[in-house]
Amino acid sequence: GAVVSQHPSWVICKSGTSVKIECRSLDFQATTMFWYRQFPKQSLMLMATSNEGSKATYEQGVEKDKFLINHASLTLSTLTVTSAHPEDSSFYICSARGGSRGSEGYEQYFGPGTRLTVT
Amino acid sequence: GQNIDQPTEMTATEGAIVQINCTYQTSGFNGLFWYQQHAGEAPTFLSYNVLDGLEEKGRLSSFLSRSKGYSYLLLKELQMKDSASYLCAVMDSNYQLIWGAGTKLIIKP
Repeated sequence: GAVVSQHPSWVICKSGTSVKIECRSLDFQATTMFWYRQFPKQSLMLMATSNEGSKATYEQGVEKDKFLINHASLTLSTLTVTSAHPEDSSFYICSARGGSRGSEGYEQYFGPGTRLTVT
Repeated sequence: GQNIDQPTEMTATEGAIVQINCTYQTSGFNGLFWYQQHAGEAPTFLSYNVLDGLEEKGRLSSFLSRSKGYSYLLLKELQMKDSASYLCAVMDSNYQLIWGAGTKLIIKP
């Protein structure tokens, strides 16, 4: 149980285009989903926190208009990178919280990540 | 400010024991997590401590001292597949995870 999927696993896009990444909790309802970005050999950087049915809370320095987050249901959140540029190339990872087991519901279950390359 | 410190890199020998330390200063405390991350993959959950003491799970143990703001992850009978980064994360008063930079563990035969 407590599986999170992410799609696509990797994507290459041209500069100026938009890319949508989906994050799904497959066997539990995720009240909260998190989006992280990780550059090579660096730690996870939280980009935003989203609760189902409400606007996402963005971390300082993360552009809301560039990284659009939608959490339309308890099992799906999407991150859209708009007008992507080469500096947006990174490993994007989502996680979900609200599972039925583990650490009193505080544990975050991670998706496998999406590697974005902008050319 | 909030801060999580852990060593950048450690090296150990296959079959041996390694202890990875983590110290933290956060606004509030709702538990400490250890995650394992292999290169190019997402983190996977290893352990959660919210009370002082030692939690043991197979080859893995995790210790917490809240008064000292300190935790360690102990890995026994090391295997080559244990080569990975180990991330320490603390859940603060807002139930946000504050992440350490990770400790890269290199296992040598």
